[in-house]
Amino acid sequence: DAGVTQSPTHLIKTRGQQVTLRCSPKSGHDTVSWYQQALGQGPQFIFQYYEEEERQRGNFPDRFSGHQFPNYSSELNVNALLLGDSALYLCASSLARAGVQYFGPGTRLTVT
Amino acid sequence: GIQVEQSPPDLILQEGANSTLRCNFSDSVNNLQWFHQNPWGQLINLFYIPSGTKQNGRLSATTVATERYSLLYISSSQTTDSGVYFCAVERRGAQKLVFGQGTRLTINP
Repeated sequence: DAGVTQSPTHLIKTRGQQVTLRCSPKSGHDTVSWYQQALGQGPQFIFQYYEEEERQRGNFPDRFSGHQFPNYSSELNVNALLLGDSALYLCASSLARAGVQYFGPGTRLTVT
Repeated sequence: GIQVEQSPPDLILQEGANSTLRCNFSDSVNNLQWFHQNPWGQLINLFYIPSGTKQNGRLSATTVATERYSLLYISSSQTTDSGVYFCAVERRGAQKLVFGQGTRLTINP
């Protein structure tokens, strides 16, 4: 039973660039949520995708966007990167927007 | 929005000791999860416990939903228990987890 997977593991980008992070949910799950975790903080909710649509959004600017594909995998895109976007980005999956969320290993993004 | 407070922020213990971590939340929830974050950043599920008591080996958890708090107990601590423990809650209808700031547990040999 495959768990949640994310790619890449690490990424270094320059201010102003754009980045795409990828997530495959746990087998049998159809809902993907993205979280940002700054150093020393708890994860913060970015948004949730279900049935290929954004269903919930946290307090993040429009520079953060996403997509969900028919196979339930998801992408997180961040445009015009800022130094403050440096963080661990976590993807979680669940079933039908409810119940237990399972997290992937994360992508560590460094913006220089 | 819902507030989640964890205490203590830091806890340093000797191997073999017992510990209790607390999570207070400010509104009714339909989901409460405890996680252990390993040194590489992965959040490991410990318990899904919106109410009641559960046990898994040396770990147990209790959530008293009516009083809006949850406790995580770790008995006979081992050095591998070190790390950051997070409580996260989901308010009814919100479909997003709100995390506390975590408790950093250090178990010394």
